[in-house]
Amino acid sequence: KNEVEQSPQNLTAQEGEFITINCSYSVGISALHWLQQHPGGGIVSLFMLSSGKKKHGRLIATINIQEKHSSLHITASHPRDSAVYICAVTGSQGNLIFGKGTKLSVKP
Amino acid sequence: GAGVSQSPSNKVTEKGKDVELRCDPISGHTALYWYRQRLGQGLEFLIYFQGNSAPDKSGLPSDRFSAERTGESVSTLTIQRTQQEDSAVYLCASSFTGKAYEQYFGPGTRLTVT
Repeated sequence: KNEVEQSPQNLTAQEGEFITINCSYSVGISALHWLQQHPGGGIVSLFMLSSGKKKHGRLIATINIQEKHSSLHITASHPRDSAVYICAVTGSQGNLIFGKGTKLSVKP
Repeated sequence: GAGVSQSPSNKVTEKGKDVELRCDPISGHTALYWYRQRLGQGLEFLIYFQGNSAPDKSGLPSDRFSAERTGESVSTLTIQRTQQEDSAVYLCASSFTGKAYEQYFGPGTRLTVT
C-alpha cells in the first residue's frame, strides 16, 4: 500500500464545475503539500499546510490531521486548470513522499 | 529573484557513459532535494541535503548514483555507467530550511540514455 494515496487518478470536468481531489496518507507528517505539474513538466507548489484550511484564488486546500486526509478544491474550473495535481507529505526525514497524482482535464 | 535552476535542460547519452547534472538552489535555501520522474510515473525521492548535516541518501536507487553539495550552494548529481532505465526527468528543489517548508522546484533535466 502506498504511503500517499490520491483519488481519483483521472478526472474530466466541464468548465465551471466544482472539482475535488482527495489525498490520504498513512505516515506521520509535519506538512502536506499540493503541487501542480503542467504538461510542459514544470512543478509549482500550490499549498503547504499542516492544519485547517488555506485558500488562494479559486483553489482551496483542507487537511484533517486526525483522519490523515486532505482535499484540494477548485471552484469555477477553467481549461487552464488542466494539469496533474500531486499530493505530497513531508516525512520524518524532511523529504517529500509523493502520491501518484491526479490528471485533471477541464473541457471548454 | 532567481528561482532554482538546473543544467543541462536536456541530456542524451550513450549507455555506459557517466553523466553529471547540476542544480543551483535559491540563494539562502539551506535544504536541497533531488527527485526523479520516469515517463508516466510519479516523483521519486533520491537524496536530501540540509545545511552541513550528512545527506539523506536513502532514495538513491543504486551505487551508480551519487550527489554532492558544496556548502549551501550548487549540487551535482552524478550517474555512473548509465543504463536505459535511468532515462527520466531529474528534478531539484530547494527550501529555506528542512522539514515542513515550501519547496521550490527547478525546471528539471531530461536525461535520455540510448
